[in-house]
Amino acid sequence: GESVGLHLPTLSVQEGDNSIINCAYSNSASDYFIWYKQESGKGPQFIIDIRSNMDKRQGQRVTVLLNKTVKHLSLQIAATQPGDSAVYFCAVENNAGNMLTFGGGTRLMVKP
Amino acid sequence: KAGVTQTPRYLIKTRGQQVTLSCSPISGHRSVSWYQQTPGQGLQFLFEYFSETQRNKGNFPGRFSGRQFSNSRSEMNVSTLELGDSALYLCASSLPTSGRTDTQYFGPGTRLTVL
Repeated sequence: GESVGLHLPTLSVQEGDNSIINCAYSNSASDYFIWYKQESGKGPQFIIDIRSNMDKRQGQRVTVLLNKTVKHLSLQIAATQPGDSAVYFCAVENNAGNMLTFGGGTRLMVKP
Repeated sequence: KAGVTQTPRYLIKTRGQQVTLSCSPISGHRSVSWYQQTPGQGLQFLFEYFSETQRNKGNFPGRFSGRQFSNSRSEMNVSTLELGDSALYLCASSLPTSGRTDTQYFGPGTRLTVL
């Protein structure tokens, strides 16, 4: 079955620096990938998504990169702010579109 | 447009009891999924409903069940509660469109504590 892994459980960055959070997935047939942000006491919040026919997608201060060759996904946050402090999850949706498989999460800590 | 709502937000039960959690999806969304979040296992898929039918189920025992109503609202039930059922239970809704994958939006969750 699908499995999703995260390389680092905790990432600490200085305010204003760029952050990169990585994620690996196992199913080469996966088509849809999502990054979620979860703050303490809240449910996961959608950040950005990407489909397998794209390599890169940009949002406001965030960029998702997809490398299908090595089955790797990354989230880049530009000019990281204290409000970005949270746990970030990558998720892969199954091809039937009715189930998400989540990575273990990376905690991003932003130092002022 | 209002987001996904879940009730109650917090719940304390004792072992052996049963519990029902409720989820109201975003207006117009027809798919509702449930996930269990624990520190040890992370976010795990429980089941997904679309048009009152369970379309997919995760690897959880039969004590975990759910249903969806005609207005897309969903409930999940856990019977004979165990200590290990203590978790944050998250509900997510999505359209979906044309049977393809669609973004799932999460509610705030119900924090269940089993004593």
